[in-house]
Amino acid sequence: GNSVTQMEGPVTLSEEAFLTINCTYTATGYPSLFWYVQYPGEGLQLLLKATKADDKGSNKGFEATYRKETTSFHLEKGSVQVSDSAVYFCALSSNTGKLIFGQGTTLQVKP
Amino acid sequence: NAGVTQTPKFRVLKTGQSMTLLCAQDMNHEYMYWYRQDPGMGLRLIHYSVGEGTTAKGEVPDGYNVSRLKKQNFLLGLESAAPSQTSVYFCASSRMDRDGNTIYFGEGSWLTVV
Repeated sequence: GNSVTQMEGPVTLSEEAFLTINCTYTATGYPSLFWYVQYPGEGLQLLLKATKADDKGSNKGFEATYRKETTSFHLEKGSVQVSDSAVYFCALSSNTGKLIFGQGTTLQVKP
Repeated sequence: NAGVTQTPKFRVLKTGQSMTLLCAQDMNHEYMYWYRQDPGMGLRLIHYSVGEGTTAKGEVPDGYNVSRLKKQNFLLGLESAAPSQTSVYFCASSRMDRDGNTIYFGEGSWLTVV
């Protein structure tokens, strides 16, 4: 069945460091891929998405490229800020409409 | 600009009590979902609905029931609450379009069963 695997956290970085959070998936067909972000005490917000191979999603300085050959959708940001501290979820959506999440990666950015 | 609204936001239940969580969306979405979030386990799908009058089981449906009598509402019921159902519950909705299926979440409902 479909599944999503994320790197375990927490990830602790200093402000302005480069961020990578790895995400790989297993799916039949051609799923859409997403990154969601959850700030403390809040719900999930869509950060970015990609709907087909080689698409790059981007938002607020974050980027992720849909790599079909490596079944990956790694999240990157060139220079993180303290305000980026949150839990990040990778997810895929199959053609049945269900969204399958990874376990989440906590990012802590220190000043 | 409501989006997806969940009520109540917080609730404490005694073991064996029943309750219903209400989810309402104003985006005319066909699909609606209930997830639970537990530490270290990400979000797990409880039940979902692909349209008014239809429901289906997700990954962890036991102990929960749902109903979708109106397109805009999706109710999650706990008939006899157990401490294992202490969790944060998220409702979500989506519509399939040419960009795929983007899901929008409510702000969560914190449930404690004692």
